[in-house]
Amino acid sequence: QVQMVQSGAEVKRPGSSVKVTCKTSGATFRNIGVTWVRRAPGQGLEWIGSFAPMFRRALYADKFKGKVTITADESTNTVYMDLNSLTFEDTAVYFCARDLGASSPLDPWGQGTLVTVSS
Amino acid sequence: SYVLTQPPSVSAAPGETALITCGGNNIGSKYVHWYQQRPGQAPLLVLHYNTDRPSGIPERFTGSNSGDTATLTITRVEAADEADYFCQVSDSVVFGGGTKLTVL
Repeated sequence: QVQMVQSGAEVKRPGSSVKVTCKTSGATFRNIGVTWVRRAPGQGLEWIGSFAPMFRRALYADKFKGKVTITADESTNTVYMDLNSLTFEDTAVYFCARDLGASSPLDPWGQGTLVTVSS
Repeated sequence: SYVLTQPPSVSAAPGETALITCGGNNIGSKYVHWYQQRPGQAPLLVLHYNTDRPSGIPERFTGSNSGDTATLTITRVEAADEADYFCQVSDSVVFGGGTKLTVL
């Protein structure tokens, strides 16, 4: 059974960066694509980007190009999301989810990581 | 980019049927996935490929997809169904704006 376990909540200052981790288990890491989604207060789900370990390649939503970097460490079955130049608008719960690509749904999801940007 | 439109809110009394729609241009030609998100929890896949239920999802959750509208139908609504529901089309990671289901 595939599981996605995320790192804990973070409080950051405006202008700083945050790294959120997503540790996967239950399947061969190279076969687990990972997509990152966020939900800001009062908003819906928003796609940030996706990583395909098999191709060692990340794709980003236009809005997040230059702001987000998604990487992976195959030795620890972990995918990382770095978010830089934080603003108050980046306050949100960030989720990772398994993404098998093609027309597959996102399933399962990590438990979520609350990132709060506060001065 | 492709736009998915959902009603912001839907309400139903316990035992009634709730219909949550997801509109998109020729959405019937795509697969649609549905997620339930309860407050403070991660999204949960409740329907995939328009009509298929993942293991553990009650038969009360059904779906359809034709023309410009996909629909999630929840029969015999229960208090535990109160949540936000999001649709997603299969060929991109685009979500509808979400529908809050209130159980009266």
